[in-house]
Amino acid sequence: KQEVTQIPAALSVPEGENLVLNCSFTDSAIYNLQWFRQDPGKGLTSLLLIQSSQREQTSGRLNASLDKSSGRSTLYIAASQPGDSATYLCAVPNYGGATNKLIFGTGTLLAVQP
Amino acid sequence: EPEVTQTPSHQVTQMGQEVILRCVPISNHLYFYWYRQILGQKVEFLVSFYNNEISEKSEIFDDQFSVERPDGSNFTLKIRSTKLEDSAMYFCASSEDRGLNQPQHFGDGTRLSIL
Repeated sequence: KQEVTQIPAALSVPEGENLVLNCSFTDSAIYNLQWFRQDPGKGLTSLLLIQSSQREQTSGRLNASLDKSSGRSTLYIAASQPGDSATYLCAVPNYGGATNKLIFGTGTLLAVQP
Repeated sequence: EPEVTQTPSHQVTQMGQEVILRCVPISNHLYFYWYRQILGQKVEFLVSFYNNEISEKSEIFDDQFSVERPDGSNFTLKIRSTKLEDSAMYFCASSEDRGLNQPQHFGDGTRLSIL
């Protein structure tokens, strides 16, 4: 059964710092991995989807990497801003199921201090 | 950019009452999902829907839950007799494909509070 873990649970950094969020999954048989952002009391905004055949995916200041064999993904945020403060979730589709329901990690709560 | 919309944003209901949560998925999407997030916990899958029928459901999705796509645009989740433990944020999502290549897009959620 696929399990997704995110470390750290919370992170506080000063504005301008580069930072890395980690996501681990127990079963390396995945189609892709998706990173989301969740603002307090709000929905999930899709940030990046990285396919299992890809090593990296970039969008603006965000860069996601994927190492399928070791069951890890990282989300790198460059030059962090206070507006980046949110909870970041990673999720993988359930492999081989009837539909590829997403299995989520617990998230990393990021606070960027001005 | 097209988005998934959910109504209402907040629903307060007495225990034992029926509640219907509504979603309008992105228009060209074919796969529809409901997830929920109890405060402080992970987002968890409830049900997926494709071709006018349930494709998969979780253990949470028992007989008190049902989903429907009554017309070409709406997708609803009904909870027949609400319990206190149904209090959560409920998210609707849709995707173009089964999740192999395209992301799932989520709505802003409905916060359901059972009193």
